[in-house]
Amino acid sequence: DAKTTQPPSMDCAEGRAANLPCNHSTISGNEYVYWYRQIHSQGPQYIIHGLKNNETNEMASLIITEDRKSSTLILPHATLRDTAVYYCIVRPSPLTSGSRLTFGEGTQLTVNP
Amino acid sequence: SQTIHQWPATLVQPVGSPLSLECTVEGTSNPNLYWYRQAAGRGLQLLFYSIGIDQISSEVPQNLSASRPQDRQFILSSKKLLLSDSGFYLCAWSYDQNNEQFFGPGTRLTVL
Repeated sequence: DAKTTQPPSMDCAEGRAANLPCNHSTISGNEYVYWYRQIHSQGPQYIIHGLKNNETNEMASLIITEDRKSSTLILPHATLRDTAVYYCIVRPSPLTSGSRLTFGEGTQLTVNP
Repeated sequence: SQTIHQWPATLVQPVGSPLSLECTVEGTSNPNLYWYRQAAGRGLQLLFYSIGIDQISSEVPQNLSASRPQDRQFILSSKKLLLSDSGFYLCAWSYDQNNEQFFGPGTRLTVL
């Protein structure tokens, strides 16, 4: 499984963009990058995923570098409710492994008023 | 719409007692089901996953077992709890192994 590296914590001012980096230098060609977040004492929530191209949905944007060795999750206008631990996950490719999501330590994003 | 339920929300059990946590999914058929554990201040660890009734795969050796007696029911059990079994237990489902997972509200287990 490809390993991901994220900063343990980040701060962001309310209303500003939050840019959360993730390194996944050992990613394989057919592995996707997934982002989840977990608000304190709740289950993780899916945010977005991508393979090669940049992706955008109603929650966030995902920017993947051309060599796919890193990515950035962007919350364009962070709110206090976006305070959570954000997990960057590379999904294993072999179908026989099921759809394991290997969660690391993630990044604790704190949005400040 | 699909919903996932877990109960109880919190549980305090003595060491050596049995455990049964239940997870049910509504609004979908033949989901992939997962049990995760999150120790305090740590990331999530996958414990079990299931692609169908009575089809359970264990990811790590441990004191726990899982069963899937019905299509949308996933049960996590233990015969004798250990102190190290304390944690936040999360059930999740996905349409198939290629799609994102949706998590339940979790059960916070404290073993004393």
